[in-house]
Amino acid sequence: AQSVAQPEDQVNVAEGNPLTVKCTYSVSGNPYLFWYVQYPNRGLQFLLKYITGDNLVKGSYGFEAEFNKSQTSFHLKKPSALVSDSALYFCAVRDNGAGGTSYGKLTFGQGTILTVHP
Amino acid sequence: DVKVTQSSRYLVKRTGEKVFLECVQDMDHENMFWYRQDPGLGLRLIYFSYDVKMKEKGDIPEGYSVSREKKERFSLILESASTNQTSMYLCASRDRAGETQYFGPGTRLLVL
Repeated sequence: AQSVAQPEDQVNVAEGNPLTVKCTYSVSGNPYLFWYVQYPNRGLQFLLKYITGDNLVKGSYGFEAEFNKSQTSFHLKKPSALVSDSALYFCAVRDNGAGGTSYGKLTFGQGTILTVHP
Repeated sequence: DVKVTQSSRYLVKRTGEKVFLECVQDMDHENMFWYRQDPGLGLRLIYFSYDVKMKEKGDIPEGYSVSREKKERFSLILESASTNQTSMYLCASRDRAGETQYFGPGTRLLVL
C-alpha cells in the first residue's frame, strides 16, 4: 500500500524568508509525486509534479520541490515566502501503474498549514 | 484550462435524507474521482470511475454510491445521510494518459 506523511501540521515563516514544507512517501515501484495547494473554502489547485527526470521540479507561483529517492522525500520549497502563500498544502503520491491496474489512484498526506507572517 | 464544477458549494440536509452531489468536467476525461476531506485526515478516496458506467470502490465507500451515465458527469449519492457524513466533498478528473488530477471547488455538506 502506498502512503504519504507530512510530519508538520503547521509551518510558520516570516515574509521574505525561505520556506520548506516536508513530505515523505512510501510506494511500490517508481513514484509519481504531486503538490497541491488549497485556499480557504476552495478546491485543490495543482502546484507541481515529479514524474521522471530532473530531481528538482519547478512549479507555479515560484514553488519548487526536490525529489530524493534515497530518503523517499519530496519537500516543497520557495526561496522567498509571501503572505499570499498562506494556505493548506497537500503532498500526494501514486505509483506508475506498471505493477497493475491502479487507475492513477492518488494517496494524500494529511496536509500542512503554511502561515507567512508580514 | 480544465474546468471541474460541482453543483453546490454548500448543502444542509437532515439525517436520513437522500443526497445527490453532482460533478461535471469539460475536458473529456475518462477518469473521475470523489474524495472527502476532513481536518487532520487529508483527502480520502470514496469512489472512482475510469469510464462511463464503470466504477470502483475507494478507501471509504461505505454509505455512498456513485453513478456515471455520461462521460462528463459523475454523481455521488448518499442513500441515507448521517451526521458522520458531514464533510467537504471534492470531485476530480484526469485523462487516461495524463498524470494530474484536477479538482472542483468542493461541496461543504452539513447533515443535521
